Amino acid sequence: KAGVTQTPRYLIKTRGQQVTLSCSPISGHRSVSWYQQTPGQGLQFLFEYFSETQRNKGNFPGRFSGRQFSNSRSEMNVSTLELGDSALYLCASSTSRIYGYTFGSGTRLTVV
Amino acid sequence: DQQVKQNSPSLSVQEGRISILNCDYTNSMFDYFLWYKKYPAEGPTFLISISSIKDKNEDGRFTVFLNKSAKHLSLHIVPSQPGDSAVYFCAADPGNTGKLIFGQGTTLQVKP
Repeated sequence: KAGVTQTPRYLIKTRGQQVTLSCSPISGHRSVSWYQQTPGQGLQFLFEYFSETQRNKGNFPGRFSGRQFSNSRSEMNVSTLELGDSALYLCASSTSRIYGYTFGSGTRLTVV
Repeated sequence: DQQVKQNSPSLSVQEGRISILNCDYTNSMFDYFLWYKKYPAEGPTFLISISSIKDKNEDGRFTVFLNKSAKHLSLHIVPSQPGDSAVYFCAADPGNTGKLIFGQGTTLQVKP
């Protein structure tokens, strides 16, 4: 069974640019969540989608947005990149919390 | 405001001994907790979870204990193995909506 796939693995962008990250969940998983990991703030929840609807959103500015497609694949977008957006971005998929949330390997974003 | 806290940034134990990782939370409404293990440059891997209706859950070498009155949970690893060396995160799932609230993590080193 394929795991959660995130692309790309690494990305370097310039301040002011925008970026789109992709996440393909485990087949059959309808919930996809996104997290940002930084050394100072740890793992912070960004948002969660279920059946193409955003169910929950963390405390991030509106520059951070996401969407989910009918096949459950999800994308997140960050506009007007800032240096502080440099982080590991992780997505996770799930059918039920009893089985835990399965994380992908993440996308390492560096903003220069 | 840190709702989930792991007060020990690091822990070192000898191979074969018990590792005990601790986690405290502030919100008594949290009803589900999970432990994850993370290696550098990889996503977190789900280890074990516990519902607030239980006070203990076991899975092989891993046991999680929950003390609701103290708002405290702990992960016991017995016996510890060098391959267990990683960062361990506890997380609270406040409402089964894909939003996990993570602690800051504890780095476990198991010495041969």
